[in-house]
Amino acid sequence: SQQGEEDPQALSIQEGENATMNCSYKTSINNLQWYRQNSGRGLVHLILIRSNEREKHSGRLRVTLDTSKKSSSLLITASRAADTASYFCATDSDDMRFGAGTRLTVKP
Amino acid sequence: NAGVTQTPKFQVLKTGQSMTLQCAQDMNHNSMYWYRQDPGMGLRLIYYSASEGTTDKGEVPNGYNVSRLNKREFSLRLESAAPSQTSVYFCASSALAGSNEKLFFGSGTQLSVL
Repeated sequence: SQQGEEDPQALSIQEGENATMNCSYKTSINNLQWYRQNSGRGLVHLILIRSNEREKHSGRLRVTLDTSKKSSSLLITASRAADTASYFCATDSDDMRFGAGTRLTVKP
Repeated sequence: NAGVTQTPKFQVLKTGQSMTLQCAQDMNHNSMYWYRQDPGMGLRLIYYSASEGTTDKGEVPNGYNVSRLNKREFSLRLESAAPSQTSVYFCASSALAGSNEKLFFGSGTQLSVL
């Protein structure tokens, strides 16, 4: 099994700007998931992208997957202060492992 | 629906004490997981249960035991707590094991071992 690694570790932007976070992994995958964690809370599932998909949208979220580079990116458009959270990717295995996350701060 | 419920929310132990963290889900999920989260380390898997009656070790199982009591409940036990086990513990569940399934998380237990 393997885990994704997110980068950057921390990102600070102004409200209204776009935020991009990246996830890299080491071996082939079937699926990749992104989660959000608000301070003091459990993780919440955002989106799942399959290995045969290149891009997926959900509201202001856009996820891309490049299996040749073994990487994924999460784009949040028109960010809001409420998007302030940590974001994690998780790659597939029976035991679901997570990276250390990207801490996003959106300043009002 | 309550989703995934963890108890207690906070706990302080002395070194050497034992305790059990409780987790229950009401979504009829087959798979359940225990993670710990330390600053800068992300989430690390302690144990998981792919289905009722089975448990498997994750990345950091040492010092812990688990019991899948029934389909709803998955408990984590610290037999002799150590300061290195100070962490935030999360329970999660999914309909099935595997990458097609999203995880649902509890709100966490903040444990301090003095």
